[in-house]
Amino acid sequence: GAVVSQHPSWVICKSGTSVKIECRSLDFQATTMFWYRQFPKQSLMLMATSNEGSKATYEQGVEKDKFLINHASLTLSTLTVTSAHPEDSSFYICSAHRDSSYEQYFGPGTRLTVT
Amino acid sequence: AQSVTQLDSQVPVFEEAPVELRCNYSSSVSVYLFWYVQYPNQGLQLLLKYLSGSTLVKGINGFEAEFNKSQTSFHLRKPSVHISDTAEYFCAVSVTGGAQKLVFGQGTRLTINP
Repeated sequence: GAVVSQHPSWVICKSGTSVKIECRSLDFQATTMFWYRQFPKQSLMLMATSNEGSKATYEQGVEKDKFLINHASLTLSTLTVTSAHPEDSSFYICSAHRDSSYEQYFGPGTRLTVT
Repeated sequence: AQSVTQLDSQVPVFEEAPVELRCNYSSSVSVYLFWYVQYPNQGLQLLLKYLSGSTLVKGINGFEAEFNKSQTSFHLRKPSVHISDTAEYFCAVSVTGGAQKLVFGQGTRLTINP
């Protein structure tokens, strides 16, 4: 149990367009989900904490108008990268917190390439 | 605020040799400690976690870690590694209780040589 999926697994988009990434908890409800960004050969950096039914909490330095997060249900959170630029190219990973557990369950990640 | 330092960015080891990946943390409050493994182009898989109780924690794939509060360390060990253990390993901490964000170390690249 405790499976988290992400869609798409990889996406290529043109500069200036927007792209949406979905994060789903498949077999449990997740009140809280997290979005991380990982550059090549680097660690994960938390972008925002997403709570179902409320606004996301963004980390310092993360542009909330550029990285739109919506947590509309207990099993789905979405990250929309608006007006994407090549510097937004990265590996985006989500995780979901199950209320009965003290750990986060990670999705497989989404590779975004902006051309 | 919490911080995590992984003391080695790369660790090369021969197959069947023992390995230790070092992790130190800093926090003014109680924390939970985690080790994750990441294979290329994949998400993170939990190896083991320390929440409370016994300071020696056993995880999957033969890994174990020991929590040392006085030294604020949580080093990961395996007595005999395999080629399949080649991956990136991340140490992480979170504040205790509830859905708390994880703070990750910089990662250690473990390379197993035949």
